[in-house]
Amino acid sequence: AQTVTQSQPEMSVQEAETVTLSCTYDTSESDYYLFWYKQPPSRQMILVIRQEAYKQQNATENRFSVNFQKAAKSFSLKISDSQLGDAAMYFCAYRTDKLIFGTGTRLQVFP
Amino acid sequence: GAVVSQHPSRVICKSGTSVKIECRSLDFQATTMFWYRQFPKKSLMLMATSNEGSKATYEQGVEKDKFLINHASLTLSTLTVTSAHPEDSSFYICSALSNEKLFFGSGTQLSVL
Repeated sequence: AQTVTQSQPEMSVQEAETVTLSCTYDTSESDYYLFWYKQPPSRQMILVIRQEAYKQQNATENRFSVNFQKAAKSFSLKISDSQLGDAAMYFCAYRTDKLIFGTGTRLQVFP
Repeated sequence: GAVVSQHPSRVICKSGTSVKIECRSLDFQATTMFWYRQFPKKSLMLMATSNEGSKATYEQGVEKDKFLINHASLTLSTLTVTSAHPEDSSFYICSALSNEKLFFGSGTQLSVL
């Protein structure tokens, strides 16, 4: 079965600092997509970053970058120069024919 | 950009009634629609996957007869909660897949009294 695990229920970071959110997944597929989504209190899902499994290069979107380790089935998100607006729930997700979400990490950002 | 319109955003109904939630892709065609349920402070749990013109594939533990999903066109998918009970109260979200990109509705908060 495909599963996505986020081992950190909560994380906190000081404004302008860097924080890394962890994600591991279990799959027997070789071709898939990985995502990080942000869910603010409005509950609208916002795509943070996306990675195709066949690409070895780690995806980067401005202050957000991932460390994709395919063999280890690990997909962590690094947020640099954290801002107050980054505070939200973050979900790691995996997709083949289904889109499966991890358990989520609540990120708090302190001024 | 691409938008998925989900309605209603909030609905309150009496126990035993049915509620229909619509997700409409406004400027693209959605080949696949995912339907999720989210409890407070929890993750999104996949309920079913539907492809246009075919029957939905339900996840284990999700009652097909209770949560009716219809994906009759490439721009509209509906989730009907039949004979709703208080335990069905939850936040429901749809996600549309188009050209390998995913677009989310804004969600529906269902409260069953």
